[in-house]
Amino acid sequence: SQQGEEDPQALSIQEGENATMNCSYKTSINNLQWYRQNSGRGLVHLILIRSNEREKHSGRLRVTLDTSKKSSSLLITASRAADTASYFCATASNDYKLSFGAGTTVTVRA
Amino acid sequence: NAGVTQTPKFRVLKTGQSMTLLCAQDMNHEYMYWYRQDPGMGLRLIHYSVGEGTTAKGEVPDGYNVSRLKKQNFLLGLESAAPSQTSVYFCASSYLRRDYEQYFGPGTRLTVT
Repeated sequence: SQQGEEDPQALSIQEGENATMNCSYKTSINNLQWYRQNSGRGLVHLILIRSNEREKHSGRLRVTLDTSKKSSSLLITASRAADTASYFCATASNDYKLSFGAGTTVTVRA
Repeated sequence: NAGVTQTPKFRVLKTGQSMTLLCAQDMNHEYMYWYRQDPGMGLRLIHYSVGEGTTAKGEVPDGYNVSRLKKQNFLLGLESAAPSQTSVYFCASSYLRRDYEQYFGPGTRLTVT
């Protein structure tokens, strides 16, 4: 069953703009992870944020976690055509299970 | 390192036929997983293994069997394929616990007619 739900389902932006997507979940977590999937490929791990962390950066990626609201956001700054992909959040529950959401499809227009 | 590889990449089966999907990893990971991905459903865990010789059921195990005879290989079997098993199958592995970063293979697109 899906623990995390991404919003929006789809996002279209101009190259150079920022892209923000959100993930909401229902039960307490150990960590939350974001993955990217290019069309026809496997998922690639982007970033992991632990339940006691509030913000994490990796290159042009910024992830925030608000455990009181049970939500996370992924921000991609200065988007490029290569950022066109689906982005999934995955929540790790206290019994170590990792549950994936249905994803946000991001299209970056040239 | 090749990472996680999957064989085959594509396959078409008739209802009732059987097949085995092979997953191999060269990262010496203890944990391995089989997922299926369907439109709008995200990834759902079929079976997983916490080490050589072990297997466990995931979220949607019915109609599938698995084996982990060697640490680097994880096989997924369909004994009698059904159209509902049409999906994209992904293998993944992780170093330690299930909630650590997972490394994914490129996927196998299976169609059952």
